Amino acid sequence: EPEVTQTPSHQVTQMGQEVILRCVPISNHLYFYWYRQILGQKVEFLVSFYNNEISEKSEIFDDQFSVERPDGSNFTLKIRSTKLEDSAMYFCATRASRAFFGQGTRLTVV
Amino acid sequence: KQEVTQIPAALSVPEGENLVLNCSFTDSAIYNLQWFRQDPGKGLTSLLLIQSSQREQTSGRLNASLDKSSGRSTLYIAASQPGDSATYLCARGGADGLTFGKGTHLIIQP
Repeated sequence: EPEVTQTPSHQVTQMGQEVILRCVPISNHLYFYWYRQILGQKVEFLVSFYNNEISEKSEIFDDQFSVERPDGSNFTLKIRSTKLEDSAMYFCATRASRAFFGQGTRLTVV
Repeated sequence: KQEVTQIPAALSVPEGENLVLNCSFTDSAIYNLQWFRQDPGKGLTSLLLIQSSQREQTSGRLNASLDKSSGRSTLYIAASQPGDSATYLCARGGADGLTFGKGTHLIIQP
């Protein structure tokens, strides 16, 4: 079965630092997403990306967040100045019809 | 705001039993309904996708149904096995990506 690959699997960063989370989508998928899951809580939608631009974003996805496809294959989520409350598991997902999720990046902000 | 509710929050049954997990959603104008499995500290594995025009989907021992008019979906697991132990997530698909429930934590006792 095709896979969505995320790197790194775990990242620890100091508050105020910038982080970039990376995702390699399934090759023929056109829709890309980022979700997050704070420990013990629901998986929450952050942003969807289609045709090289953001199509939808949630209220969580504020000016501290950005997404891009820097080289036409990777899909990245950047958090400019991390806060303690950004600590969560971040999932990349891609879809043709059904959504496939990566294994996630566990972000710990200290 | 879209809401997805899953009942029960937790379930523990002996191996071999058939069981039903329930999911309800507030907006009948959905694109699709997707069921996922999440193992502790891991990503989400897609189990079944039901398009809004469909009423059910089957994969092996799993069967999922969708009733848009009542805003409900069920996941039926036949002949449960200890390897089925995981958290099962229901997600409503819409223009704003997937909206997840909190999940049902399932334990199958050997």
